[in-house]
Amino acid sequence: QIVLTQSPAIMSASPGEKVTMTCSASSSVSYMHWYQQKSGTSPKRWIYDTSKLASGVPARFSGSGSGTSYSLTISSMEAEDAATYYCQQWSSNPYMYTFGGGTKLEIK
Amino acid sequence: DVQLQESGPDLVKPSQSLSLTCTVTGYSITSGYSWHWIRQFPGNKLEWMGYIHYSGSTNYNPSLKSRISITRDTSKNQFFLQLNSVTTEDTATYYCARGGLRPSWFAYWGQGTLVTVSA
Repeated sequence: QIVLTQSPAIMSASPGEKVTMTCSASSSVSYMHWYQQKSGTSPKRWIYDTSKLASGVPARFSGSGSGTSYSLTISSMEAEDAATYYCQQWSSNPYMYTFGGGTKLEIK
Repeated sequence: DVQLQESGPDLVKPSQSLSLTCTVTGYSITSGYSWHWIRQFPGNKLEWMGYIHYSGSTNYNPSLKSRISITRDTSKNQFFLQLNSVTTEDTATYYCARGGLRPSWFAYWGQGTLVTVSA
């Protein structure tokens, strides 16, 4: 099965700072999806099909990548962006959905 | 709007079966999409468990295939998770979720229910 490795595991950013986190796949995948999860709540679809923002997601977020390397970028960090972000992919052989271990983003 | 809500016991003894219900409102589970179970372990690792398709077919994580069953009651718009022979390692928050139009993402999630496996 495809393994997703997220880095860094934990990071902090000041308000206004640009933030980039990455997701590396053990084999090539067609699309990557990202979720935001805040403490005590369920994950929310945040970015799908690599670069499409889910409804209500601020335009300061973006996603990019291809093959085995994907990233989520925040152009200007805001306090409300502090959360854990997970990447996720689907593969057909074996039929599996897998998640990365998460990047915890904290505000400085 | 689509809403999902998990329910079931919060404590299960080792070697017993874990049974959860997901009640869906705002969309019929026979109209489209796939309907999934996902769990999150202490420490926050997420694991996809399996789904039941709107057609009634199922697909499971190979690592759970011998222990898992996902079924549904279309009259109540509910689907169910049964996980057999549980151990303490099955302690997790269990989520039900709706899949995309194709195998892809999970757009709607329930609030999750914490199930502890302990004697």
